[in-house]
Amino acid sequence: KAGVTQTPRYLIKTRGQQVTLSCSPISGHRSVSWYQQTPGQGLQFLFEYFSETQRNKGNFPGRFSGRQFSNSRSEMNVSTLELGDSALYLCASSPDPGLAGGRRETQYFGPGTRLLVL
Amino acid sequence: AQKITQTQPGMFVQEKEAVTLDCTYDTSDPSYGLFWYKQPSSGEMIFLIYQGSYDQQNATEGRYSLNFQKARKSANLVISASQLGDSAMYFCAMREGSGGYNKLIFGAGTRLAVHP
Repeated sequence: KAGVTQTPRYLIKTRGQQVTLSCSPISGHRSVSWYQQTPGQGLQFLFEYFSETQRNKGNFPGRFSGRQFSNSRSEMNVSTLELGDSALYLCASSPDPGLAGGRRETQYFGPGTRLLVL
Repeated sequence: AQKITQTQPGMFVQEKEAVTLDCTYDTSDPSYGLFWYKQPSSGEMIFLIYQGSYDQQNATEGRYSLNFQKARKSANLVISASQLGDSAMYFCAMREGSGGYNKLIFGAGTRLAVHP
């Protein structure tokens, strides 16, 4: 079974530009979550999509947005890029909506997209 | 507020020895899950082990085991018989069960170096 794929793997942009990152979850997984990883802030949750709906959102400005398609593939977009947006963006997929009860559904991560903003 | 604390920025271990990576957590939700992930220099997060708050036994997955002490709110990862390939960053993470869906809260991580 193929793992989570993310494209592109590397990206260089300049301040003010916008960028779109793509994530294809493991086949059959319906939940896709996005995380930002920086040396200063560590790993931070951006948002989660399930069945094309954003179900949870982290504490990020509105410049960060996402969507999910009917085939569960997800994209995230960052508009008006800032230097501080330079980071590794990780996507994770899960087979289950993560129901209450602390069940053991695991999130499987992709290789990430390294974004550098100049 | 939920929080994960990893107090060891870096750890060293000799090959074939065991090592314990510390993790403490804070949550008021009685239902939660704890995860450990490994991140090599390539960047991909690799799932290692999971412990549910209601699990009666400590989780084990091959050379990985989780020392879960609920009253102390700690979930330490034990790696037995360390291998050179175990050198990586290790992250402890938590998901709250009630409405947390798939939002993981991560600790700052511990960098493990395995020496031959």
